[in-house]
Amino acid sequence: EAGVAQSPRYKIIEKRQSVAFWCNPISGHATLYWYQQILGQGPKLLIQFQNNGVVDDSQLPKDRFSAERLKGVDSTLKIQPAKLEDSAVYLCASSLERTQETQYFGPGTRLLVL
Amino acid sequence: DQQVKQNSPSLSVQEGRISILNCDYTNSMFDYFLWYKKYPAEGPTFLISISSIKDKNEDGRFTVFLNKSAKHLSLHIVPSQPGDSAVYFCAASERTDKLIFGTGTRLQVFP
Repeated sequence: EAGVAQSPRYKIIEKRQSVAFWCNPISGHATLYWYQQILGQGPKLLIQFQNNGVVDDSQLPKDRFSAERLKGVDSTLKIQPAKLEDSAVYLCASSLERTQETQYFGPGTRLLVL
Repeated sequence: DQQVKQNSPSLSVQEGRISILNCDYTNSMFDYFLWYKKYPAEGPTFLISISSIKDKNEDGRFTVFLNKSAKHLSLHIVPSQPGDSAVYFCAASERTDKLIFGTGTRLQVFP
């Protein structure tokens, strides 16, 4: 079974530029999560999808961050414009359904904003 | 407001000995707890979990203990192996699938 795929793996941009990350969850997984992990901290949930609907985006900075999950499969997370404090690893995770059980994480995209 | 705390940023243990990683939480409504392991340049991988109705869960070399009155859980690894060297995250949830993660503890197992 293929795991959660993310691209790109690394991205360096200058502040005020825009950037997009892509996630392909495990086949059949209805729930998809985007996390932000700042250096020295644990992952923090940004947004959660159930199929193509948003379940929770309470911690998403909506003035600059946006996310979509078209057709309930792949998802993209966009930052526009980026700030220095957006430097972090962006992790995508998926699970079969909304339970407290295991979430499967992708390798992450490491973003550096200069 | 850090609801899940891992106060030890790092731990060094000799191979074959026991590793004990600790986690404290403040929200008494948390009812499910998980440990994830993370290697460099990889995403976290699930290790073991425990429901609040239990006080212990064991899986091979890994055991998680939950002390609800102290709002404390710990992960025991016995015996520790060099391949266990990684960052360990404690996570908790309150009747939903929304996980709150701690800051992680870096475990190094040396020969």
